[in-house]
Amino acid sequence: DAKTTQPPSMDCAEGRAANLPCNHSTISGNEYVYWYRQIHSQGPQYIIHGLKNNETNEMASLIITEDRKSSTLILPHATLRDTAVYYCIVRVATNTDKLIFGTGTRLQVFP
Amino acid sequence: DVKVTQSSRYLVKRTGEKVFLECVQDMDHENMFWYRQDPGLGLRLIYFSYDVKMKEKGDIPEGYSVSREKKERFSLILESASTNQTSMYLCASSSGGAGENNEQFFGPGTRLTVL
Repeated sequence: DAKTTQPPSMDCAEGRAANLPCNHSTISGNEYVYWYRQIHSQGPQYIIHGLKNNETNEMASLIITEDRKSSTLILPHATLRDTAVYYCIVRVATNTDKLIFGTGTRLQVFP
Repeated sequence: DVKVTQSSRYLVKRTGEKVFLECVQDMDHENMFWYRQDPGLGLRLIYFSYDVKMKEKGDIPEGYSVSREKKERFSLILESASTNQTSMYLCASSSGGAGENNEQFFGPGTRLTVL
């Protein structure tokens, strides 16, 4: 699976959009981009995934560049409860679902 | 809702003890996983299982073994605990199958301290 690079930390004001970048320059054609987050003292939680089209669900939007070498997770109206570590993961969709987590981005939402 | 439960939130053991960490999922998932999480290192996969009695090594299997006798239960075993196995242990499960979104559902974690 391709390696990802994320900034170690970011801040965002409550109510503003949080844009979390991820670089995955070695991504191959059959690899998906997944985002998970981990709120303090909890297990990670799935947010969204995509292949090449932009995706949106009730939690977030995922924007993938045309060359697929980078992506951005957007939380449109960040709240204090969105303070967490966000992980960007690239993997092939296979039966065994193995995920390789990096160190992620620690997002701090402030009032 | 999918529920993944782990037997303990906090556990303190002594060096050399045999330690069992239990994980149970209630959604008939095929795949189950054990990770450990350490500051600055993120989550690292120890072992995973895609079927009963099947197991595969993850990235850091040394010092650990696993058991999956029933579909819903996946146990992580530390045969002889050492202080460098002090960590947060996270269990996860997913439905399996060759789909793009086999979301992994995580348990709350067990914080193990080995003295």
